[in-house]
Amino acid sequence: DIVMTQSPDSLAVSLGERATINCKSSQSVLYRSDNKNYLAWYQQKPGQPPKLLVYWASTRESGVPDRFSGSGSGTDFTLTISSLQAEDVAVYYCQQYYTNPPTFGQGTKLEIK
Amino acid sequence: QVQLQESGPGLVKPSQTLSLTCTVSGGSISSGIYYWSWIRQPAGKGLEWIGRIYTSGSTNYNPSLRSRVTISVDTSKNQFSLKLSSVTAADTAVYYCARAAKRGDYLYYFDYWGQGTLVTVSS
Repeated sequence: DIVMTQSPDSLAVSLGERATINCKSSQSVLYRSDNKNYLAWYQQKPGQPPKLLVYWASTRESGVPDRFSGSGSGTDFTLTISSLQAEDVAVYYCQQYYTNPPTFGQGTKLEIK
Repeated sequence: QVQLQESGPGLVKPSQTLSLTCTVSGGSISSGIYYWSWIRQPAGKGLEWIGRIYTSGSTNYNPSLRSRVTISVDTSKNQFSLKLSSVTAADTAVYYCARAAKRGDYLYYFDYWGQGTLVTVSS
């Protein structure tokens, strides 16, 4: 299985400041034939299911605010929230869909400082 | 707008079989371009993919659970189901059903999720 490791486990950021969450995969999730990174990011608020934010490592899902952006390639990825809003408090997960079984990171809990 | 809704007992005794159903609305489970998955999340922990099924009935399971998992589909009811046998307290979790586009034997990202249902394993 591909192991996904996120850092940090938790993060406290002031409103309006930048939040950065990292995700590292145990092997590359870049598929050479289409040059795409098979990596997604999800946001999960308490009592809710995960919500898809980003796929192909950097493509925002429809309706996701543009303060959310994904970057990276190969084995190292980043989710950035450019200006933290109160409603962004949540746990964030990365997920690889390069191969079976699809696997998730352990999650990063984002709070307001 | 596709919606998924899990249903089933919230309490299962140890060694018994956990059974859940996911009802899909707003779209057909037989559309042919999606896999339908079960994913679970123990309280305060991360997400674990359990397995998926295609409209034809073909399945793929997480090796960590393969010996205990059966996923089936009922296209006439637009539902798919999960059975997990010989449960222990370690199987206590919120169970989600989710949709992902099909890519050969693999799947893409999960774009629609059910709200989840808590299953507790306890005597």
